[in-house]
Amino acid sequence: EPEVTQTPSHQVTQMGQEVILRCVPISNHLYFYWYRQILGQKVEFLVSFYNNEISEKSEIFDDQFSVERPDGSNFTLKIRSTKLEDSAMYFCASSSRDGNTEAFFGQGTRLTVV
Amino acid sequence: DQQVKQNSPSLSVQEGRISILNCDYTNSMFDYFLWYKKYPAEGPTFLISISSIKDKNEDGRFTVFLNKSAKHLSLHIVPSQPGDSAVYFCAASAMNRDDKIIFGKGTRLHILP
Repeated sequence: EPEVTQTPSHQVTQMGQEVILRCVPISNHLYFYWYRQILGQKVEFLVSFYNNEISEKSEIFDDQFSVERPDGSNFTLKIRSTKLEDSAMYFCASSSRDGNTEAFFGQGTRLTVV
Repeated sequence: DQQVKQNSPSLSVQEGRISILNCDYTNSMFDYFLWYKKYPAEGPTFLISISSIKDKNEDGRFTVFLNKSAKHLSLHIVPSQPGDSAVYFCAASAMNRDDKIIFGKGTRLHILP
């Protein structure tokens, strides 16, 4: 069964450092998403990506965040200068556009900013 | 401003009985509703969905009911099994506008032996 894969599973970084979270969506999907879940809180939408551009982003997705689909298979989330409050589980998801809107999620990357 | 609300943070149900998880929404533009199940240290897994043109969708032990006038949906699991212990997220999307999925905070379901 096709699945969304995310690497690394756990990333520890120092405050102020840049991190890149990587995702390989399901190959025939066209819509890509990043969500995050801070420990004990709800799953929050960050950004959606379609046709090589951001289609929507939340207030959380400020100038410190960027997304890229560099090679047609990977979908990355970059945080330029991490803050302590960026510590969370980050989930990548993808969906197709054939009337089936349920998104398939990866296992998540736990980001710990110290 | 919570558009998708799950007011019960946790629920305990005896094995074999029915589990009912509730969800309310505020945005009348939502026309597609989903339930996700999440185990610790894993990503949410899609469970079942319902379009706003229906009021019920059934898949094995899982049934989702939608009451559009009350902006309320529920997930019924019957009979409940130990493997059903997880966090369940209600989610909603406005298909006609975009595919962004808005999640509730989740309800932790404990199935008791």
